[in-house]
Amino acid sequence: DVVLTQTPVAQPVTLGDQASISCRSSQSLVHSNGNTYLEWYLQKPGQSPQLLIYKVSNRFSGVPDRFIGSGSGSDFTLKISRVEPEDLGVYYCFQATHDPWTFGGGTKLELK
Amino acid sequence: EVQLVESGGGLVQPGRSLKLSCVASGFTFNNYWMTWIRQAPGKGLEWVASITNTGGSTYYPDSVKGRFTISRDNAKSTLYLQMNSLRSEDTATYYCTRPAYWGQGVMVTVSS
Repeated sequence: DVVLTQTPVAQPVTLGDQASISCRSSQSLVHSNGNTYLEWYLQKPGQSPQLLIYKVSNRFSGVPDRFIGSGSGSDFTLKISRVEPEDLGVYYCFQATHDPWTFGGGTKLELK
Repeated sequence: EVQLVESGGGLVQPGRSLKLSCVASGFTFNNYWMTWIRQAPGKGLEWVASITNTGGSTYYPDSVKGRFTISRDNAKSTLYLQMNSLRSEDTATYYCTRPAYWGQGVMVTVSS
């Protein structure tokens, strides 16, 4: 199975700071069709996860442009510029390139 | 507006069965693959099952293969998850999802 390793586990931030989360895969996430099915989700306290980024770098509808996904192969990053209060919660990366689909362990974005 | 409303959760003894339902609205149900994802209390996310838009193919991780069955009724815009031989480690909130959208989840507790 593909293992997604997220770092850090927790990211203390000050509002207005930039935050960066890494997601490293145990194997390349490039599908045989050429697409890379790597997504990022945010789960706010008491809520269902919400999609932020799909196929590495595409923002889902309504997601602010301060969320930037990047990377390739097996190394991916989510950057959040100018963290706002509504950005706090747990971030998960997710891959749907290889069966079984798997999630990273999560990164908690919290206030310092 | 896309809505996914799960039901059927509850407390069940180990070894028993439970069937979850998810009623979808706000989109053309038979155009989309559908997926169940679960989250154990205080833990991360785990993919549980997926089904193609026609219902012709289904996919499971090894952790539930042979015990869980995903199905759908496109005429009723409803997704199901039949869970048999339940174990304590199946205790979780189960989310009904389609690409980019998640329900609010339903809690399943397996305990004697």
